Amino acid sequence: GQQVMQIPQYQHVQEGEDFTTYCNSSTTLSNIQWYKQRPGGHPVFLIQLVKSGEVKKQKRLTFQFGEAKKNSSLHITATQTTDVGTYFCAVTFSGYALNFGKGTSLLVTP
Amino acid sequence: DVKVTQSSRYLVKRTGEKVFLECVQDMDHENMFWYRQDPGLGLRLIYFSYDVKMKEKGDIPEGYSVSREKKERFSLILESASTNQTSMYLCASSPHGSEKLFFGSGTQLSVL
Repeated sequence: GQQVMQIPQYQHVQEGEDFTTYCNSSTTLSNIQWYKQRPGGHPVFLIQLVKSGEVKKQKRLTFQFGEAKKNSSLHITATQTTDVGTYFCAVTFSGYALNFGKGTSLLVTP
Repeated sequence: DVKVTQSSRYLVKRTGEKVFLECVQDMDHENMFWYRQDPGLGLRLIYFSYDVKMKEKGDIPEGYSVSREKKERFSLILESASTNQTSMYLCASSPHGSEKLFFGSGTQLSVL
């Protein structure tokens, strides 16, 4: 089936450094969602982007949707140890079901 | 708050057993989903349902079936468990359309 590609697979940063994860699709997306999964936890919804070129911020997190609606990014400014976890993008290619990227696992060292 | 409850956090079964994983949501959501999560593979959709008694195959339905007799309950059935079905199983629900998902805490299934 269709897939959304997410990179990098892993990222290890020092606390205070920035972090970015990217999602790419070969087809135009209607929207994209981002989720965070803490170690040992379940995915939790962060945000949904719908409009071309959309940028949304949640405190230190900045989400962008590409102009062509084929890619998206999540950027964390000045990471903290509480940011540790796996970040997933998720898209709908058809119907109701969300297809998830493989995720980017973020490790933050104090 | 929306609550999605999965009946077991950990489950150990033997090869060939029939396994039932139960999921209940308390917010009258239309859609319910079953995903499995494996290291390095992310979340993969097994089955989903957009209405009572309705079901749709996801990307990896082989070896699984589902049942949705009531709106709030969505069951995943492993007809004859195999070792390659050892995984974390996540249930989720959403109000309708492709709105955000609310996940349960997951069931870690080990098939020996």
